[in-house]
Amino acid sequence: DTEVTQTPKHLVMGMTNKKSLKCEQHMGHRAMYWYKQKAKKPPELMFVYSYEKLSINESVPSRFSPECPNSSLLNLHLHALQPEDSALYLCASSHGIIRGGREQFFGPGTRLTVL
Amino acid sequence: QQQVKQSPQSLIVQKGGIPIINCAYENTAFDYFPWYQQFPGKGPALLIAIRPDVSEKKEGRFTISFNKSAKQFSLHIMDSQPGDSATYFCAGIQGAQKLVFGQGTRLTINP
Repeated sequence: DTEVTQTPKHLVMGMTNKKSLKCEQHMGHRAMYWYKQKAKKPPELMFVYSYEKLSINESVPSRFSPECPNSSLLNLHLHALQPEDSALYLCASSHGIIRGGREQFFGPGTRLTVL
Repeated sequence: QQQVKQSPQSLIVQKGGIPIINCAYENTAFDYFPWYQQFPGKGPALLIAIRPDVSEKKEGRFTISFNKSAKQFSLHIMDSQPGDSATYFCAGIQGAQKLVFGQGTRLTINP
């Protein structure tokens, strides 16, 4: 299995809602990432988990809360989002620097719309 | 220091032509340079990657040329096809996990 899967594909939420994005990989990767991508822009790194521990937080607002329950799963909990948070949210995984695997494999993304 | 500058922003080529996308970086500590291909509504897919101690790498119709002294690298697509129409991102990475992306090139291959 060489895939990163993400659910849901699309999500529409109001500013007072609480929702979660899910990401799963079964490649034995020990580094997992959340990115945000706006239209016609490159992905922007949000968070990095390495061996299930948060290793990078790119000063993301607290209304985004990541969670890594185990080595295969990564969640992004959303609460009190703003319309400007509407974007494609991408999950990626890699072996990580310790195991010498630099390539990041991306999932298909969740298209989030905040009303 | 951390930037990767990518050009052109958009590119239109006839089928069979050789589109060339260029990137320049400033951070000499970057030690791995991947290229990603992204179709509309999809996640980026790793296309090809190179380390700075290699001057050229080919995978199928895709070639990366790397000039370490100039801090520049480029992607060439041989015998381009309409199915190659996508947005291409170059990137640099140093040590740990943070990819620094270029701004992207929207490539259109006309039939």
